[in-house]
Amino acid sequence: SAVISQKPSRDICQRGTSLTIQCQVDSQVTMMFWYRQQPGQSLTLIATANQGSEATYESGFVIDKFPISRPNLTFSTLTVSNMSPEDSSIYLCSVDRSGNTGELFFGEGSRLTVL
Amino acid sequence: QKEVEQNSGPLSVPEGAIASLNCTYSDRGSQSFFWYRQYSGKSPELIMSIYSNGDKEDGRFTAQLNKASQYVSLLIRDSQPSDSATYLCAAHQGGKLIFGQGTELSVKP
Repeated sequence: SAVISQKPSRDICQRGTSLTIQCQVDSQVTMMFWYRQQPGQSLTLIATANQGSEATYESGFVIDKFPISRPNLTFSTLTVSNMSPEDSSIYLCSVDRSGNTGELFFGEGSRLTVL
Repeated sequence: QKEVEQNSGPLSVPEGAIASLNCTYSDRGSQSFFWYRQYSGKSPELIMSIYSNGDKEDGRFTAQLNKASQYVSLLIRDSQPSDSATYLCAAHQGGKLIFGQGTELSVKP
């Protein structure tokens, strides 16, 4: 397993503001992923956070809206920029400790509500 | 067409019964498949992985894979109320994990 700490666990934000979510892992991992889970929905992959290089974004997600940093092998941040109510969601950091096998461990999530 | 499809449920079974959860996927390039369990208000946790055709058993859980039919299933024997959760099927394709919409399981005492 992996110990993954996410901050904040929840927040209420105003429209037009930005919020940065932090993800700290207890050991070095190669693969880190950011997912979004909208109310009552499944998980949608936002991007793969690559250490030392730009994140790889999925279709429908862009760097200007969701900038990601990955300064080292244990830490990543996801920023949700210029938020609107449609961004109200749970944002989940996940890691694959075995490389890129699909066996993911998830943080506790960050529940954002945008008013 | 969704890449990974599941019946959203809810699926209700009595305690002690077998719960059967099903999943289909569209990308034949998918090599490995997973079942995650998500309790309400919690993050998903991995419960089963399966890589080759056939059955894989782990305690009360059995995962089944049929690549020709592009079908994955999860059987839960002797279902317990504590198994009540949403079960997410996922396919590993192109270096990323794609999730289905999840099936909500309710086990009634």
